[in-house]
Amino acid sequence: AQTVTQSQPEMSVQEAETVTLSCTYDTSENNYYLFWYKQPPSRQMILVIRQEAYKQQNATENRFSVNFQKAAKSFSLKISDSQLGDTAMYFCAFVGVSGNTPLVFGKGTRLSVIA
Amino acid sequence: DVKVTQSSRYLVKRTGEKVFLECVQDMDHENMFWYRQDPGLGLRLIYFSYDVKMKEKGDIPEGYSVSREKKERFSLILESASTNQTSMYLCASSLFGYYEQYFGPGTRLTVT
Repeated sequence: AQTVTQSQPEMSVQEAETVTLSCTYDTSENNYYLFWYKQPPSRQMILVIRQEAYKQQNATENRFSVNFQKAAKSFSLKISDSQLGDTAMYFCAFVGVSGNTPLVFGKGTRLSVIA
Repeated sequence: DVKVTQSSRYLVKRTGEKVFLECVQDMDHENMFWYRQDPGLGLRLIYFSYDVKMKEKGDIPEGYSVSREKKERFSLILESASTNQTSMYLCASSLFGYYEQYFGPGTRLTVT
């Protein structure tokens, strides 16, 4: 069974600084997708970024980028120029493409951006 | 934009009541999901459905049932609510199993 581990329950960062959230996963599949989701306080969960395992290039979305290390089964999220609006719970998620199975989520990292 | 809506943002029910949580998506997605979210436990999958009238148990199906009579609607049913079902319930949908999921705003259920 696949598992996703986020080892940092809480983190904080100063506004305008850079922060990296860690995620590791365990799978025997070779083809899969990885996601980072953001859940702001009392607001809807939204997708931040997505990575296909067969792509070597790391995905980027504006200030958000990932460091995908397939051999190490690591998928960290880097937030550059942190803003107060980045304060949220961040969830890492995995899904294999071999069957119609749902996403597997990590337990989340609570990020606080401090002014 | 995909829109996933849930029938209530906040709900208070008494122990033993039958509770219905409704979820509707407007993008013709095949898959729909129900999660509960508790502090320190992350998201735990209750049930999911990959087609009308089809359902699959997730990690914590005990005490819950689901119904999917139409493609756009997925209902979560608590047959006899208990205090340990007090939680945030999130609905999600996706086009296919391995596509990203789109989430509703959540229903915070309190059972007293």
